[in-house]
Amino acid sequence: EPEVTQTPSHQVTQMGQEVILRCVPISNHLYFYWYRQILGQKVEFLVSFYNNEISEKSEIFDDQFSVERPDGSNFTLKIRSTKLEDSAMYFCASSGTSGRDTQYFGPGTRLTVL
Amino acid sequence: AQSVTQLDSQVPVFEEAPVELRCNYSSSVSVYLFWYVQYPNQGLQLLLKYLSGSTLVKGINGFEAEFNKSQTSFHLRKPSVHISDTAEYFCAHYKYIFGTGTRLKVLA
Repeated sequence: EPEVTQTPSHQVTQMGQEVILRCVPISNHLYFYWYRQILGQKVEFLVSFYNNEISEKSEIFDDQFSVERPDGSNFTLKIRSTKLEDSAMYFCASSGTSGRDTQYFGPGTRLTVL
Repeated sequence: AQSVTQLDSQVPVFEEAPVELRCNYSSSVSVYLFWYVQYPNQGLQLLLKYLSGSTLVKGINGFEAEFNKSQTSFHLRKPSVHISDTAEYFCAHYKYIFGTGTRLKVLA
């Protein structure tokens, strides 16, 4: 069964550094998403991406965040200058041909900012 | 702003007993409701979803949920739980709005 993959599984970085989290969505999916989950808290929507542009974003997704689909398979989340409060689990998800389709989530990347 | 409320942060229940995890959502024109399960150190897995049609939705692992428009609720139920059902359960509205989660702990 196709699945969403994410790399790395765990990323440790120093405050102020840039990080790039990578995701490979399911191959025929068209909608891509990033969520984060701070330890012990709820899942929070960051951004959705369709047709090579951001379709929706939350208040959390400020100027320090950016997303990109650099090729036909990868979907990346970049945090330009990490802060301690960016420490969280980041989940990528993808869905099919409609925004109402089921989202499939990756296993997540745990980001630790020191 | 749209919101999802999960009234119970933790629900302990004995094995083979029934369970109900409660979820209320803020009313909106379009109602798309989801329940996800998250096992420790894993991503979210869709249990079931309501987009339209029958108000009783059946999902995987023996779970079901009932959409109640008048009460703006979408409670998750299982008639008999197993130890393996121990996990965090999230209710979500229109994919983007998640509740705070309910930790289901099944006791032997």
